[in-house]
Amino acid sequence: QVQLVQSGAEVKEPGASVKVSCKASGYTFNGYYIHWVRQAPGQGLEWMGWINPDSGATKYAQKFQGWVTMTRDTSITTVYMELSRLRSDDTAVYYCARIPRGKYYFDYWGQGTLVTVSS
Amino acid sequence: QSALTQPASVSGSPGQSITVSCTGTGSDVGSESLVSWYQHHPGKAPKLMIYEGSKRPSGVSNRFSGSKSGNTASLTISGLQAEDEADYYCYSYAGSGFWVFGGGTRLTVL
Repeated sequence: QVQLVQSGAEVKEPGASVKVSCKASGYTFNGYYIHWVRQAPGQGLEWMGWINPDSGATKYAQKFQGWVTMTRDTSITTVYMELSRLRSDDTAVYYCARIPRGKYYFDYWGQGTLVTVSS
Repeated sequence: QSALTQPASVSGSPGQSITVSCTGTGSDVGSESLVSWYQHHPGKAPKLMIYEGSKRPSGVSNRFSGSKSGNTASLTISGLQAEDEADYYCYSYAGSGFWVFGGGTRLTVL
């Protein structure tokens, strides 16, 4: 069955970086774009960007450009989202989610990863 | 890439119908029928309820329906049930590889 399994919760100090992984299984890895979405406490869902696991091409929301990096390792069907220069307002649950190629909706989500930024 | 506009909250009694609106621009909501709707319970992953504006995934109750008029998409839930209480988000392709969520709507079943 399709699964997106994310890495565990992280606690980071301000100014540090965090790298969250999303391990895909149960489907053809290269056939689906992976997007990253976050939700800060008390806030709504926020789109961060996507990666094409086939080519490695990425697109980031303007807010996150220069600040987020999405990569993939096709040998282990895993995508990564790294956020640098963390601030306290980056405290959020980060989700990966897949979109079928040529489609415009998420059909499967990861379970979410809580990243806490605190000194 | 401004967030799509949704009401912060809506409410209804069991058995009633409610509608959640999602207003964007001609570049996102208004461009094509590419809006999807997600139900989100705190602590869980969001769940797809409507895609391509009005299509329901397998397993989603037919009490959920979607529509669009101009730059506004709408999610209607009929026959409200207690388990429908959740946050609802619209999501749209905005062109040039960019995507955008609505601000989210908290549904309270009275």
